[in-house]
Amino acid sequence: DSGVTQTPKHLITATGQRVTLRCSPRSGDLSVYWYQQSLDQGLQFLIQYYNGEERAKGNILERFSAQQFPDLHSELNLSSLELGDSALYFCASSQEGGADSPLHFGNGTRLTVT
Amino acid sequence: EDQVTQSPEALRLQEGESSSLNCSYTVSGLRGLFWYRQDPGKGPEFLFTLYSAGEEKEKERLKATLTKKESFLHITAPKPEDSATYLCAVHNQAGTALIFGKGTTLSVSS
Repeated sequence: DSGVTQTPKHLITATGQRVTLRCSPRSGDLSVYWYQQSLDQGLQFLIQYYNGEERAKGNILERFSAQQFPDLHSELNLSSLELGDSALYFCASSQEGGADSPLHFGNGTRLTVT
Repeated sequence: EDQVTQSPEALRLQEGESSSLNCSYTVSGLRGLFWYRQDPGKGPEFLFTLYSAGEEKEKERLKATLTKKESFLHITAPKPEDSATYLCAVHNQAGTALIFGKGTTLSVSS
């Protein structure tokens, strides 16, 4: 068990809808990352937060947004959903958020858009 | 552009048959190379971090090595429970995110 908690585990929704994915980092970790994993693309970095502030952005669509709250949990909001957004969404956390810190991943939220 | 390429995509071994997985990387200024294991339906599980050429790390039947352009994950006398997808990742130049390869899916049969 990595200590990173993601909810829900599964989510099925229709095109055009909006969903929110939730992540609680490991105790003591200040940095949260969001990744998307699809069969053809592998793990793609979306966004990183450190102690409540956005630190880095990757291949995150404008329809997607995220935030990290004062208690350090994070939410990823996906709106105007398309079929192609179906994927596994992983949250990871690290202590400092720098290059020396390995990421510890949750077990993901599987999103299915129908 | 920072890039990570893993080979082979899939590998089938008999129990006890040792082999190696390859990870080639292109990044400006390596700040760490990471190996992860991912089981179906689970998140990646951290295995090793390597920082400089010549460095080696071991854990049970796994040994990771690093050169200036690639890393190898050697699996000695594998068991069926070693079956998983093994992912390699490097930090991007800014050190703000891990860039992952697409992984090698290892199947070990008894």
